Amino acid sequence: GQQVQQSPASLVLQEGENAELQCNFSTSLNSMQWFYQRPGGSLVSLFYNPSGTKHSGRLTSTTVIKERRSSLHISSSQTTDSGTYLCALDLRNSNNRIFFGDGTQLVVKP
Amino acid sequence: NAGVIQTPRHKVTGKGQEATLWCEPISGHSAVFWYRQTIVQGLEFLTYFRNQAPIDDSGMPKERFSAQMPNQSHSTLKIQSTQPQDSAVYLCASSALKAETLYFGSGTRLTVL
Repeated sequence: GQQVQQSPASLVLQEGENAELQCNFSTSLNSMQWFYQRPGGSLVSLFYNPSGTKHSGRLTSTTVIKERRSSLHISSSQTTDSGTYLCALDLRNSNNRIFFGDGTQLVVKP
Repeated sequence: NAGVIQTPRHKVTGKGQEATLWCEPISGHSAVFWYRQTIVQGLEFLTYFRNQAPIDDSGMPKERFSAQMPNQSHSTLKIQSTQPQDSAVYLCASSALKAETLYFGSGTRLTVL
């Protein structure tokens, strides 16, 4: 079965609105990583977050191990935030590999 | 730090030809991953090396795909007898040993005519 479920699959915002992206995982976590991908671009790491909350500018990542979930919050969205956001469940410390979610396609309209 | 370097950026092959893709991980990184990405299938795991040893190749189409990591500074992905369905962006990523941030290269766009 799929190790990580990402939601929503797509999201459309007006500029200035906030967004909350979710990943739920079905197994014990080593860490969760969040990536951003611009159309036609490669994946850029946003956060590597094994637990707790991390901030970077308008972005906040929160991983709650007990609840088997991680979220990415985007505040005051901008049109340049448009793209695909992927979460990745890192199980390498359990002698496994990294499992990616299917991504959330975000469109921020002006 | 130049990041993960992938060459070539674009490759066009005819059906049945061979394609070799190159990846240079970030210096000092011990884990190297290969993925491929298409609009239809999304991001697909292919294979994973740690300290140059193959750890997991469960995503590799067995018959025509092979990957090697002969030294710490590069890995290759070879596709024999390429087929149109192999057309994709092939991404290489590296990280420090075990659980650390994964860094991706810019990818190689393979087009099989």
